[in-house]
Amino acid sequence: NAGVTQTPKFRVLKTGQSMTLLCAQDMNHEYMYWYRQDPGMGLRLIHYSVGEGTTAKGEVPDGYNVSRLKKQNFLLGLESAAPSQTSVYFCASSYEGAENIQYFGAGTRLSVL
Amino acid sequence: DAKTTQPTSMDCAEGRAANLPCNHSTISGNEYVYWYRQIHSQGPQYIIHGLKNNETNEMASLIITEDRKSSTLILPHATLRDTAVYYCIVRVAVGEYGNKLVFGAGTILRVKS
Repeated sequence: NAGVTQTPKFRVLKTGQSMTLLCAQDMNHEYMYWYRQDPGMGLRLIHYSVGEGTTAKGEVPDGYNVSRLKKQNFLLGLESAAPSQTSVYFCASSYEGAENIQYFGAGTRLSVL
Repeated sequence: DAKTTQPTSMDCAEGRAANLPCNHSTISGNEYVYWYRQIHSQGPQYIIHGLKNNETNEMASLIITEDRKSSTLILPHATLRDTAVYYCIVRVAVGEYGNKLVFGAGTILRVKS
């Protein structure tokens, strides 16, 4: 029972490099989310999706892009990484109608130098 | 929007009940109370939620006062593995399509042997 799987677990980037974080869920959830968590702060929503082919902006979407080409996958892209994007990124998913009961992945720790 | 107030930290002896309080005096009539926890270096984990009646599941019990201005999460027999940050979430903002969870600072629960 994998649940929500995030890859990679760790990554170090140089300023200006690009990368894609992958989130995969095997629970047939409609909704998927990307959050970031910084020291001393709670989780902040970056983007989310309410179904295959749909995406929407959250609280802090600037500098990120997302895609949901398949229902089970939600990709988060950083086109030109900046040191301010150093953070722990969490993906989550939920059923439609129970959006507030979210299942989280283990996180991706990203450092941008 | 309802806000929550939780103690910064609490200690609990292993095997004893852990009672984590949360004040949410501005909660509106149709807002649920959600509890999540985050064990160090892991993603948040849903525990339980309720509206006005007390709730119990395999992880915990949730006691909500009659006026709904506060609640208490009870871990009946705390173990060392319950050491985590516990978040009481009341405000759930509705985005363009769905909801997002707003995590505050939470309560650091330390279970000690």
